[in-house]
Formats: sequence, C-alpha cells, structure tokens
Amino acid sequence: GAGVSQTPSNKVTEKGKYVELRCDPISGHTALYWYRQSLGQGPEFLIYFQGTGAADDSGLPNDRFFAVRPEGSVSTLKIQRTERGDSAVYLCASSLRQSGGGYQETQYFGPGTRLLVL
Amino acid sequence: GENVEQHPSTLSVQEGDSAVIKCTYSDSASNYFPWYKQELGKRPQLIIDIRSNVGEKKDQRIAVTLNKTAKHFSLHITETQPEDSAVYFCAASRGGGYQKVTFGTGTKLQVIP
Repeated sequence: GAGVSQTPSNKVTEKGKYVELRCDPISGHTALYWYRQSLGQGPEFLIYFQGTGAADDSGLPNDRFFAVRPEGSVSTLKIQRTERGDSAVYLCASSLRQSGGGYQETQYFGPGTRLLVL
Repeated sequence: GENVEQHPSTLSVQEGDSAVIKCTYSDSASNYFPWYKQELGKRPQLIIDIRSNVGEKKDQRIAVTLNKTAKHFSLHITETQPEDSAVYFCAASRGGGYQKVTFGTGTKLQVIP
C-alpha cells in the first residue's frame, strides 16, 4: 500500500510568516509522529498523536508550534511567526496501534518537508 | 529524559570489510532499539530493530547486539557493499504506552569500492 506522504516537499517562506505542513499516514495507522531534522543531526521528536489526541507534545520547542489531527488520520503541523532557526526538514512517521504486549511498534517515515525560512 | 549517544560520527571502510556502529542510552526503562538508514535527501528507513528481551538479532549481513546492563547496543554490517553507504541512526524508546523515540546523532558510513 501507499507509504506516509507529506506535502509540500519544499517550502520557502519569509521570517514572520505562518506555514502549515501536512502529513498523510499509512492507512490504518493510528499513531502519528512529527520530528524535525536539522542538517547533520538525527530526527528530533516534536509530538506524538494516538488517534486524534496529542499523547505527548513535549518536543514542541515553543508555543509558535502546534499540530492537529482532527479526524485521526491526516495531521497538520502549524508554525506561526517563523524564524530562521526553524529551517529544517520536518519528518512525519506513523505506526500501527500499540500491540497488546506493550512493545513499541515500528515507525515508518515520510519523505519530509524541507522548510527554509529566509 | 532519554539521551542516546552514537559513535563514530563518520566511518570509512573498504568494500567487503565489516562496519560497527555503537550507541549508548541513558533511560534504563528503554526496551526498543531500532536502527534507521538514511540516504542523502531521502527518508529514514528501518533496517533492523531489537527489543529488550533478546541480546542479539541478525538479518542477513546486518546484526544488532544489546547489553541492557551496560545500556549499550551496536550495529554490525558484514561484507559491506557500496550501496551500504548512508547515514545510520540508532534510537531508543520505552515502548508500551510511551511512544517517544529518541535518536542518536548519526554515523556517516562510506564504503570504498
């Protein structure tokens, strides 16, 4: 089936502008994650959804960042008043519902959105 | 919170040789340890993972070992090929109801033909 998709693939914006990044998870995956990856670094956790609710948003750097997943499928990451330091690749991943054994399910990543704030 | 350290940051090997990448983690409650391969400009892709109830797992030329006592896990690639060249990330997670995954800083592997 189709993998995780993200749009747009690239986004260039000016400092102070508002941007929205979209993620379409794998069909049937109830868990969705957002990560930010700066050049030469590993993905940095931002937020995790189980269904429609944000189960853990401890990675959001400040209140300019917000994410929603209103119907438990597509998610949007919203960044207000963008700053140059927000420039990075924003990755989305999804996984199946947590197994009954309590183990972490494999996360499958999307291609990312490359955000450049000028 | 969890802290994952990864070494080396770069690694060059001759084709056919083995490559070893090492990671340590800080959270003793972590019980799931995936490894991802990321080619330039592409998405991270899971290559192997290990859970805390086993000490070693192998998949063809790739193996991972886990030492929970030392909070240390390693990726071993044997008979390296040029297509193995990429950045490799280790990661750790508590699993269960706590799904946050913490990644290492990555190892850039270059396999020289």
